[in-house]
Amino acid sequence: SQQGEEDPQALSIQEGENATMNCSYKTSINNLQWYRQNSGRGLVHLILIRSNEREKHSGRLRVTLDTSKKSSSLLITASRAADTASYFCATDVSGGYNKLIFGAGTRLAVHP
Amino acid sequence: NAGVTQTPKFQVLKTGQSMTLQCAQDMNHNSMYWYRQDPGMGLRLIYYSASEGTTDKGEVPNGYNVSRLNKREFSLRLESAAPSQTSVYFCASSEIRLGGPADTQYFGPGTRLTVL
Repeated sequence: SQQGEEDPQALSIQEGENATMNCSYKTSINNLQWYRQNSGRGLVHLILIRSNEREKHSGRLRVTLDTSKKSSSLLITASRAADTASYFCATDVSGGYNKLIFGAGTRLAVHP
Repeated sequence: NAGVTQTPKFQVLKTGQSMTLQCAQDMNHNSMYWYRQDPGMGLRLIYYSASEGTTDKGEVPNGYNVSRLNKREFSLRLESAAPSQTSVYFCASSEIRLGGPADTQYFGPGTRLTVL
C-alpha cells in the first residue's frame, strides 16, 4: 500500500499563478522528499525536508512539514509552463534501510 | 558524468520469455534500487541493494530477481515474464550513511516493458 497520498490528483493553472500540492502519510518518518517527473522521463529530486524541520525553501519552491498531522505541502510560486510535470512525495521509511515510499503523484499543467 | 543509465529503453516480450534490465551509475553511490511505475500508482520498490554484495526485497518482489554485480551495476531479471509485469521500470542510486536516514535518490530514464 502507498505510504503517501498526494492531493489533488491533477491541477491545472495559468502561468504566473501559484500551485499547491499536498501529501499525507501514515507512519513516522525520518524525512520527506519531493520529486518531479516530466512526461516519459525519470524522476528528479526537488527538495528534502527532515522530520525536525517545518519549512524549507529552494528557489520558487516552498515545502512545509507538519508531523503532528502527518502531512506536507509543496508550493510552486509564479509558475511557468516548464513546471508542467507530475510531482511525487516520498517518505523515508524509518528503520535505517534507506528506502523511500512514493505517493501516486499530482499532475500539474501550467498553461501559457 | 552520465549519472544513472539504463538499458534497454524499450522492450516487448511474450509471456514466458525472460530478460534482464541493466542499470549502472557513475556517482560511486553505495545504494541502488529498482522500481516499477504503473499508471496512477506512483513508484513501487521491487528490490534494493544497500551496499555492494547485499540485496533485499522491496514492496513488490514477486517474479523478479536482482544481482548487484559490483558497486556500479545492479540488474533486474524477469525469469518468466507475465502481462502483469508490463510497466515502466526505473533504477535509482543514492549515497547511504549506515543506519542513517534516506538521502536523495538519482533516477535513470526508465525502461518501458510490454509483455504480450
